Amino acid sequence: IAGITQAPTSQILAAGRRMTLRCTQDMRHNAMYWYRQDLGLGLRLIHYSNTAGTTGKGEVPDGYSVSRANTDDFPLTLASAVPSQTSVYFCASSAKGFNEQFFGPGTRLTVL
Amino acid sequence: GQNIDQPTEMTATEGAIVQINCTYQTSGFNGLFWYQQHAGEAPTFLSYNVLDGLEEKGRFSSFLSRSKGYSYLLLKELQMKDSASYLCAVRDSNYQLIWGAGTKLIIKP
Repeated sequence: IAGITQAPTSQILAAGRRMTLRCTQDMRHNAMYWYRQDLGLGLRLIHYSNTAGTTGKGEVPDGYSVSRANTDDFPLTLASAVPSQTSVYFCASSAKGFNEQFFGPGTRLTVL
Repeated sequence: GQNIDQPTEMTATEGAIVQINCTYQTSGFNGLFWYQQHAGEAPTFLSYNVLDGLEEKGRFSSFLSRSKGYSYLLLKELQMKDSASYLCAVRDSNYQLIWGAGTKLIIKP
């Protein structure tokens, strides 16, 4: 693994189904983030984690949950998907005290 | 509320210079970032400004005026590969990034 990876690359999901988007980084970064990106809107923060064992809510957390059991992994779960959650989801990480966020390749999710 | 404004789209000619503006109103300020995002790809870091003035990095420069809530990204000697969206983001008082919707830059030969 080099950098930050996400899985799956894309997914079509029926409304009401549960879905977990995976994110793994090998840079030993303390902080990790989940964003969604929709056409015409800026990246919006869903949840974040400043260090393993802690999480926080971002701008649009409703309908999503996260966990941070260790430094490397930061999965995002949609408990019961709805069509408004159709979006491109990016995971990102940054080193503590450093400014730059590194992004994963994204997951394109379609909820029908 | 928090707000970051950028032009939606700009067009420029290969070899020319283009300036992409960003104005912001946020709860606190702890730095401004510019990212580049090619279609279908992830954003990648270009520059960071926390003090007023110009930061130069090769063909790209970024300027900040905190008193005016204003920044610009200057791209010189434009190349076709510079066709992308350019995202402005401000780190607020909670140290979270607030993102603009991005400026799509189209480069014509």
